[in-house]
Amino acid sequence: DAGVIQSPRHEVTEMGQEVTLRCKPISGHDYLFWYRQTMMRGLELLIYFNNNVPIDDSGMPEDRFSAKMPNASFSTLKIQPSEPRDSAVYFCASSQHRQGASYEQYFGPGTRLTVT
Amino acid sequence: QQPVQSPQAVILREGEDAVINCSSSKALYSVHWYRQKHGEAPVFLMILLKGGEQKGHDKISASFNEKKQQSSLYLTASQLSYSGTYFCGTLGGTSYGKLTFGQGTILTVHP
Repeated sequence: DAGVIQSPRHEVTEMGQEVTLRCKPISGHDYLFWYRQTMMRGLELLIYFNNNVPIDDSGMPEDRFSAKMPNASFSTLKIQPSEPRDSAVYFCASSQHRQGASYEQYFGPGTRLTVT
Repeated sequence: QQPVQSPQAVILREGEDAVINCSSSKALYSVHWYRQKHGEAPVFLMILLKGGEQKGHDKISASFNEKKQQSSLYLTASQLSYSGTYFCGTLGGTSYGKLTFGQGTILTVHP
């Protein structure tokens, strides 16, 4: 399998612009997670989906952030408008829930976002 | 609430051993361990479910004491490839998915 795919790998944008990050989970995985990583705050869970349905978005910092999962093989994280404090590495991860068994998360390579 | 990892950083020579601890103030259902190399994504190492089980992955093993809400990661006879940042992620109750990661422990192995 190709693993979790994220695009773009790097994004540099100006404050106020809209940014869309994309993720393709591993085929057959029914959970998808969006994380943000910064030096100050570490690795934070933003939102996660189960079977394309958002389950918990309590980690989404504010209304400028939104995430969708229109089908099992694609998800987007959008920031509109972007601000310099949104600069971070954004990871997408997926996993497969097997009843009574372990369920490791597989991370994509991440998108490094810089907002100037 | 974020679990607390200790120590924050470890420096080793090849062949030496290390222990990384992860403590939570909440009751835990499971503990996940990941390693992240600089500029790369976190990579899964192992999961420990409540029950005090111990798991191993090559020369890396871990234990989980659910009563103390603690987990420890043991790195034996460290190799240069072990260098990176180690994160524990904790899951409370049975709310699948919502991992809370510790702040990470930076492990550096020198020749």
